[in-house]
Amino acid sequence: EAGVAQSPRYKIIEKRQSVAFWCNPISGHATLYWYQQILGQGPKLLIQFQNNGVVDDSQLPKDRFSAERLKGVDSTLKIQPAKLEDSAVYLCASTPLGETQYFGPGTRLLVL
Amino acid sequence: QKEVEQDPGPLSVPEGAIVSLNCTYSNSAFQYFMWYRQYSRKGPELLMYTYSSGNKEDGRFTAQVDKSSKYISLFIRDSQPSDSATYLCAMIRSNDYKLSFGAGTTVTVRA
Repeated sequence: EAGVAQSPRYKIIEKRQSVAFWCNPISGHATLYWYQQILGQGPKLLIQFQNNGVVDDSQLPKDRFSAERLKGVDSTLKIQPAKLEDSAVYLCASTPLGETQYFGPGTRLLVL
Repeated sequence: QKEVEQDPGPLSVPEGAIVSLNCTYSNSAFQYFMWYRQYSRKGPELLMYTYSSGNKEDGRFTAQVDKSSKYISLFIRDSQPSDSATYLCAMIRSNDYKLSFGAGTTVTVRA
């Protein structure tokens, strides 16, 4: 079974630029999550999708972050404009309904 | 106060030692408890999962939950250099199934 795929693996941008991350979950997994993991901290949930609908985006900074999962499969997370404090690893995870979350390798973002 | 507290370490032990990791939590709604292992530059991978108080063993790993004290532990017996990683405790609330992570403890097992 293929795991959760994410790209790019690394991205370096300057502040105020925009950036997008892509996630392809495990086939058949209805639920998809985006997490932000700042160095030395545990992952923090940004947004949760159930198929193509948003279940929870209460911790997503909506003035600069957006995410979509148009066909209920792949998802993209965008930051526009980026700030220095957005430097982190962005993790995507997927799960069948209510079960264990499987994480991708993450995208490491550095904002200069 | 964070919902899930975990000592970030770092923890350095010699090969063969027992590694003891702990987390405390404040919300009684947490009913499902997990330990994730995260190698450098990788995503977290599930190590242990339990939902009841008591001990659960899986090979060299033992997860312990004490709901009355709101305290969970992970023990690694006969630790190996390949166990060097960051260990994250995580908990799911029974009312909304939200997953909350501890900060992670970085463990180094010296050969």
